[in-house]
Amino acid sequence: KNQVEQSPQSLIILEGKNCTLQCNYTVSPFSNLRWYKQDTGRGPVSLTIMTFSENTKSNGRYTATLDADTKQSSLHITASQLSDSASYICVVSDRGSTLGRLYFGRGTQLTVWP
Amino acid sequence: EADIYQTPRYLVIGTGKKITLECSQTMGHDKMYWYQQDPGMELHLIHYSYGVNSTEKGDLSSESTVSRIRTEHFPLTLESARPSHTSQYLCASSGRQGSSHEQYFGPGTRLTVT
Repeated sequence: KNQVEQSPQSLIILEGKNCTLQCNYTVSPFSNLRWYKQDTGRGPVSLTIMTFSENTKSNGRYTATLDADTKQSSLHITASQLSDSASYICVVSDRGSTLGRLYFGRGTQLTVWP
Repeated sequence: EADIYQTPRYLVIGTGKKITLECSQTMGHDKMYWYQQDPGMELHLIHYSYGVNSTEKGDLSSESTVSRIRTEHFPLTLESARPSHTSQYLCASSGRQGSSHEQYFGPGTRLTVT
């Protein structure tokens, strides 16, 4: 069964600190992995996307890593800001369907305190 | 920013009412999707469409129905709303971009059935 597991479920950090969110997946055959940011009451917005051959992808203060052998990914947030408070969702796409089926994790709820 | 719109953003209705959630995109995407998301849970695909006059049920069984008469429009209808339908409904669309199948999400409709 294709699954995406994220940890921790929730995280509270102080403004300016760094944090790392984890994602493990069993989706096969693997196509790509995305990290989305979802603000409360809004739709998810893509932060990064990585294919099988990519190990690291950065988008400003967000850096995602991918280990396709162990099927693990992480999202590192540097110098956190209050606006980083959101749910961060790991999404994996399989290569086996023309639809580009997405498998969603439950997200890590990040809260940044001043 | 993605050009995909959902209305209404919030809706509170009584049991037994018929409702239609609107979704429109101006990106010319052929594929469109409806997801259901409960608080703290992952997104579940309930309907998708490959193009005009094409609709399919997703992974999560839903009593809702959809139609795709125009490329840009993908409304979702509940003939008789029940409290169990209370949830957030997210619409998304994607167009072929290499093999990424990037999905762009609307802001969502928060539905409450009393």
